[in-house]
Amino acid sequence: AQSVTQLDSQVPVFEEAPVELRCNYSSSVSVYLFWYVQYPNQGLQLLLKYLSGSTLVESINGFEAEFNKSQTSFHLRKPSVHISDTAEYFCAVSDLRDSSYKLIFGSGTRLLVRP
Amino acid sequence: DAMVIQNPRYQVTQFGKPVTLSCSQTLNHNVMYWYQQKSSQAPKLLFHYYDKDFNNEADTPDNFQSRRPNTSFCFLDIRSPGLGDAAMYLCATSREGGVNEQFFGPGTRLTVL
Repeated sequence: AQSVTQLDSQVPVFEEAPVELRCNYSSSVSVYLFWYVQYPNQGLQLLLKYLSGSTLVESINGFEAEFNKSQTSFHLRKPSVHISDTAEYFCAVSDLRDSSYKLIFGSGTRLLVRP
Repeated sequence: DAMVIQNPRYQVTQFGKPVTLSCSQTLNHNVMYWYQQKSSQAPKLLFHYYDKDFNNEADTPDNFQSRRPNTSFCFLDIRSPGLGDAAMYLCATSREGGVNEQFFGPGTRLTVL
């Protein structure tokens, strides 16, 4: 069964510094990959997704993630973070062998941006 | 705005007292999901509906049931809540399932006394 590992439970960073949130998944068979963000007391919102094509995907607010099949990784990066980026970030995978296309989530990484 | 609504946002119940959580959507999506999210853990899928077809996860306890009377509404029933059922419960919807984005509600935080 698929699993997703987010090694960092919390990442503190200063405002305007770069950040990388790590995500690894267990199987290199065909998968779809997602990053969701959860702000305090809110539901999850899709940040970006990889389905096929270019391995580098971008979001509208400056985040990007790169699909690396050989390393089974989908790390999330941002070159310069803002206070408003403080939130919980979840990596998720959907296994194409599963006809329900359900999402398997990692345990999340709390990004804490300090002034 | 089209959205996923969960009521109530906070629910307190007593050990063993049945409780129902509600989810409604204005997106007209045919797939609805219920997730359980415990503190500092990943959301865990309990079950989902594809239209009226109910799909239960193998490890979802029998204590958890669901109803979907129509496209817009889906309910999570916990028949006899235990202390271990205290969690955030998230409802999500998607169009046709598959690779389409899942839209999440704000969640209901359940406390069991």
